[in-house]
Amino acid sequence: QQQVKQSPQSLIVQKGGISIINCAYENTAFDYFPWYQQFPGKGPALLIAIRPDVSEKKEGRFTISFNKSAKQFSLHIMDSQPGDSATYFCAASSKEGAQKLVFGQGTRLTINP
Amino acid sequence: NAGVMQNPRHLVRRRGQEARLRCSPMKGHSHVYWYRQLPEEGLKFMVYLQKENIIDESGMPKERFSAEFPKEGPSILRIQQVVRGDSAAYFCASSPRIEVSYGYTFGSGTRLTVV
Repeated sequence: QQQVKQSPQSLIVQKGGISIINCAYENTAFDYFPWYQQFPGKGPALLIAIRPDVSEKKEGRFTISFNKSAKQFSLHIMDSQPGDSATYFCAASSKEGAQKLVFGQGTRLTINP
Repeated sequence: NAGVMQNPRHLVRRRGQEARLRCSPMKGHSHVYWYRQLPEEGLKFMVYLQKENIIDESGMPKERFSAEFPKEGPSILRIQQVVRGDSAAYFCASSPRIEVSYGYTFGSGTRLTVV
């Protein structure tokens, strides 16, 4: 119930292409869905987040698509750049409990120049 | 604002020793969360603390692990009698209030290696 499943584990995209990472969840109490970007040796940094009352949110080249009925959400990176090469984590949280984040397993994204 | 400060960045301990990991939250943040990241995995919640109180320790192993956030000073995650399976990156996050969507910031982590 508390799991967030993320795919793919790794992804290679050519520069200028679209990177797509998918996540699925079971717990319908989740009401906040952030994406984090992590570079080697660093902590996760918030990239973009969405709440279930909207189906899409866009910030620059990054877009979250959210499908409440399917309990799925995805991150799209448009015009992918080598500097986007990092590990990406989806996460979810609910108002219940202590506002902890439940993370997906991560996707290692490599953008080839 | 220096961000969430964790130290040490790297820690090597022999099996059976104690590990102490420190986390200084951002200025004005009174909520601290600890997470563990095993190699090639996502972060797993361990414990949530407010000043002098443990609010949720549902992710903490029952033995050898403890956490505190005293009135003065950093939050400490303590691992007694470390074993090889404790080798991981430990991250803390802090926030100014309880909503995870508001100002929740991670530190750069402590990489613990047990030899």
